[in-house]
Amino acid sequence: DAKTTQPPSMDCAEGRAANLPCNHSTISGNEYVYWYRQIHSQGPQYIIHGLKNNETNEMASLIITEDRKSSTLILPHATLRDTAVYYCIVRGFADKLIFGTGTRLQVFP
Amino acid sequence: DTAVSQTPKYLVTQMGNDKSIKCEQNLGHDTMYWYKQDSKKFLKIMFSYNNKELIINETVPNRFSPKSPDKAHLNLHINSLELGDSAVYFCASSPSRGNSPLHFGNGTRLTVT
Repeated sequence: DAKTTQPPSMDCAEGRAANLPCNHSTISGNEYVYWYRQIHSQGPQYIIHGLKNNETNEMASLIITEDRKSSTLILPHATLRDTAVYYCIVRGFADKLIFGTGTRLQVFP
Repeated sequence: DTAVSQTPKYLVTQMGNDKSIKCEQNLGHDTMYWYKQDSKKFLKIMFSYNNKELIINETVPNRFSPKSPDKAHLNLHINSLELGDSAVYFCASSPSRGNSPLHFGNGTRLTVT
């Protein structure tokens, strides 16, 4: 059911930027790209979402390609507490939030 | 302070029992959800309520029955528990059915023995 493809795992050194890619080649015009993360044993945490423009908030930046077929979540200065599974989700207006398998990001000292 | 709270955090019970998980949100949201995360960590939506009305009902055994006494609460009742019901159940809420992020609780880990 998930409409996105993400690498199963990534590593990142503490203090460096973590760039998490996501492919969503079948995205339609009214569908948003959402990012959530799940830190071990906790509930999923909303990070950011966007339609076609790049977005930034206090947690991360979201870069969406012009054709909208892929996006990248950027954590500018990763910390050990950013170790989590990151989910990229394509969601239409009022649609269900459907989780895929995500990317397991390991931040190391 | 907790925005979406679930009780209990852990629930251990025997097969055949009936149990309930409670969820409350203090965010003033209109829509609430139940998700199930199995042992393989797949998160799947089960139900969604908007203003106490059921709007999403995935392919879930009818032993599972959500109940929404008011829009701040969505409880999950499970009858005749089976081993395969063991999972972590997450409650979530959002401001409306539209394009709004969901806020999740920290889950209830159900173990059926």
